[in-house]
Order: sequence, then structure tokens, then C-alpha cells
Amino acid sequence: EAQVTQNPRYLITVTGKKLTVTCSQNMNHEYMSWYRQDPGLGLRQIYYSMNVEVTDKGDVPEGYKVSRKEKRNFPLILESPSPNQTSLYFCASSPRGGWGGYTFGSGTRLTVV
Amino acid sequence: TQLLEQSPQFLSIQEGENLTVYCNSSSVFSSLQWYRQEPGEGPVLLVTVVTGGEVKKLKRLTFQFGDARKDSSLHITAAQPGDTGLYLCAGDNAGNMLTFGGGTRLMVKP
Repeated sequence: EAQVTQNPRYLITVTGKKLTVTCSQNMNHEYMSWYRQDPGLGLRQIYYSMNVEVTDKGDVPEGYKVSRKEKRNFPLILESPSPNQTSLYFCASSPRGGWGGYTFGSGTRLTVV
Repeated sequence: TQLLEQSPQFLSIQEGENLTVYCNSSSVFSSLQWYRQEPGEGPVLLVTVVTGGEVKKLKRLTFQFGDARKDSSLHITAAQPGDTGLYLCAGDNAGNMLTFGGGTRLMVKP
């Protein structure tokens, strides 16, 4: 089944403890992207990648890192999480960016205490 | 940052009624997408429109892209409870940055 898989689905962590949210897609898509969704603020893009080793900042990149060493994987790294990074995170992939539409993962609900 | 405004934010209607959701911007987009999101899940792509004036139909859903590619609408005919969800429009420029509207939360009562 064609899908974007995120792990974990739920995560509670403490301030300052480094964490990684994994994202993997099995559709051979070029484009991958990370979003966060917050009440009243909607979905906002954190980082995106057009291909292996090509990444760029979205609207809200502060406090996050990404890497794209393989086409299928696009992990999101929080080096020192803070409570304002408590949010619902989505990874998405697309064959050709906006024109192809994006397939989203099921989300990771992160709570930083 | 390009902005997309959706209206209405909330809509509660009876089964069988028609409705229209609007997505407006002052910016031009190369394509515009509509997604539906259920609670606890990621958005699911409904349609992508790329040509100004384009109209696409998906069963009881009709999507239109404005002539100037700055706005779009989603019309649902004879809404059903299964249409309940959060509807999101998203504008794309240059294929990299996807800007989402704030969403329209639709509830269709039986």
C-alpha cells in the first residue's frame, strides 16, 4: 500500500531532551515536507526537500533540523525541544511538488513538558 | 508569506443541503489543492487545480479555480453526514512551499 509512515504516533518528552521523528515513504516521491498543526494557526511548513541532500526552510524552521540522505526517509530532529514545540506534526510526500498533490502521514502528537 | 483565507470557518448544515466553501488570496498560485482531514488523521488530497477558470468534479463535490488563480471554491451538493470533516485549501508556488488556509470545519447532521 502506498503510504507515508511516521513514528511515533504519540510522544511525551521533557524540555531539552533531543528527539527524532521518523518519516518514510514507499512511493519513490521526490518531494518531502514537514508541517506542524496548531489550533488557530492551521498547518505551517517547517522544512521541505526537493530531492536527496536538498533541503530548505519553510515558514517555521526555528528549533528543527532535517536530513535527506535517502529518497524514502526524511527525519525531523528536535535538538533541544521546548514546550512551544508541543504540536501535531505531519510528514508529507509528493511526486512533483504542489502539482502532484501531497500524501500525508497519520501524524505525530508531541508534548514537551 | 502568502496567505490563504478560508470562509466560513465553521458550517453546520442538515443532510441534503448544498454548501460552498471559499478560499481567497491576494497572491497568484501555480496550483491549488483541496484536502479533507478527519480527527486524528492527516489531510487527504481531494483535488488539484492548475489552470485559471478550471472546474473539476468529484461526485457531489465541484471545485473551481478562479480565472486569476488567486481564489478557489468548493461546492458540495446534497451534503451527507459522511462529508463531515475539516476542509483545507492549499496554494502552491514553484512546487516547494505549500501554504494552507485556516480550514472550514463542516458538520452535516442527519
